[in-house]
Amino acid sequence: QKEVEQNSGPLSVPEGAIASLNCTYSDRVSQSFFWYRQYSGKSPELIMSIYSNGDKEDGRFTAQLNKASQYVSLLIRDSQPSDSATYLCAVNNAGKSTFGDGTTLTVKP
Amino acid sequence: GAVVSQHPSWVICKSGTSVKIECRSLDFQATTMFWYRQFPKQSLMLMATSNEGSKATYEQGVEKDKFLINHASLTLSTLTVTSAHPEDSSFYICSARENRARDTQYFGPGTRLTVL
Repeated sequence: QKEVEQNSGPLSVPEGAIASLNCTYSDRVSQSFFWYRQYSGKSPELIMSIYSNGDKEDGRFTAQLNKASQYVSLLIRDSQPSDSATYLCAVNNAGKSTFGDGTTLTVKP
Repeated sequence: GAVVSQHPSWVICKSGTSVKIECRSLDFQATTMFWYRQFPKQSLMLMATSNEGSKATYEQGVEKDKFLINHASLTLSTLTVTSAHPEDSSFYICSARENRARDTQYFGPGTRLTVL
């Protein structure tokens, strides 16, 4: 079992819809959780961080964390074609981040 | 957010030559930096963890004599690909850990290496 698991996708949603990206992790003592967006041919870019249970909203993005279920998700509201990218989930424990393999999202106009 | 730069952004070299890639944290000090490699349509692969003032820690299967890492200051880490071969052609990405921001990793823009 991988330490951080994501559905590889591709996940396809129509423009304007909500995209839901999921991530599970195996280390119960993980403390910090991050979502990165990576466009094709570019390096990852941090879009959200979350540290405590519940929801955290930033514009069209909402990160959700459930430590009991070892689950973190990212919701993208009003999806735009420019959101088409690979989304990486990262889980940090004691200063070391472990990355999932990423979910590829395609937003169709 | 914190900014990490990488230089060069791309490089083409002949087989057998060495290539040095620099990674700098521009507005924060980074005691720890990471080096990744990514082949087309594949996942990020962590190569090594670079610690300021000490030897780098390499992931299993990564040749430390081929990929030399030097973290000489709190804002600069370098990766040297020695005696590069075509199979070393890849996208090399560094990241720096911002200790004051809950160990958030910020990525550089990457260096695309092509070995002829």
